Amino acid sequence: DIQMTQSPSSLSASVGDRVTITCRASRGISNYLAWYQQKPGNLPKLLVYDASTLQSGVPSRFSGSGSGTDFTLTISGLQPEDVATYYCQNYYSPPFTFGPGTKVDMK
Amino acid sequence: EVQLLESGGGLVQPGGSLRLSCGASGFTFRDYAMSWVRQTPGKGLEWVSAISSTGGTIYYADSVKGRFTISRDNSKNTLSLQMNSLRAEDAAVYHCARSSGWRSDHWGQGTLVTVSS
Repeated sequence: DIQMTQSPSSLSASVGDRVTITCRASRGISNYLAWYQQKPGNLPKLLVYDASTLQSGVPSRFSGSGSGTDFTLTISGLQPEDVATYYCQNYYSPPFTFGPGTKVDMK
Repeated sequence: EVQLLESGGGLVQPGGSLRLSCGASGFTFRDYAMSWVRQTPGKGLEWVSAISSTGGTIYYADSVKGRFTISRDNSKNTLSLQMNSLRAEDAAVYHCARSSGWRSDHWGQGTLVTVSS
């Protein structure tokens, strides 16, 4: 099975900061990687799929990159409404595992 | 508007069974794969199972393989999860999700499963 790891597990940043979250797959998954945002008390929301394609309606300050085993979610200018936990997910090969999550707080 | 409504959760003893259902509306159900994902309060997301649009392809997490069965009825726009031999570690909120290419783009509110004697 493919294992997904994320780093850091949590971070604090200020409004306007550039935030980068990393996701690593234990073996290559091409670009079959999704990023989800889960705000406190809310359902997960799909942000990015195919590693770099922004889901409709997602602000352009979010971007994804990577291929193979190493992936990145970047928020280019953190906003207060971005406080959430972010998860990556492999959908290249079942089981379609999620990463453990990265919690983003405001400093 | 895509709507997914889960039901069937509740309190069950270890070793017991439950059947979860998910009613779908607002989209052409038969055109989409569907998934079950669970989440323990305060913890992360755990993918449980997925089924293709026709039901011909099914996948399970190792932790539930042999105990859980996913199914769908495209005539009734309904997704189901039969859960047998339940364990304490199966306790969670179970979400059904619409899946496109096995990624999930819409999620239901979930139904709570509690496993306790």
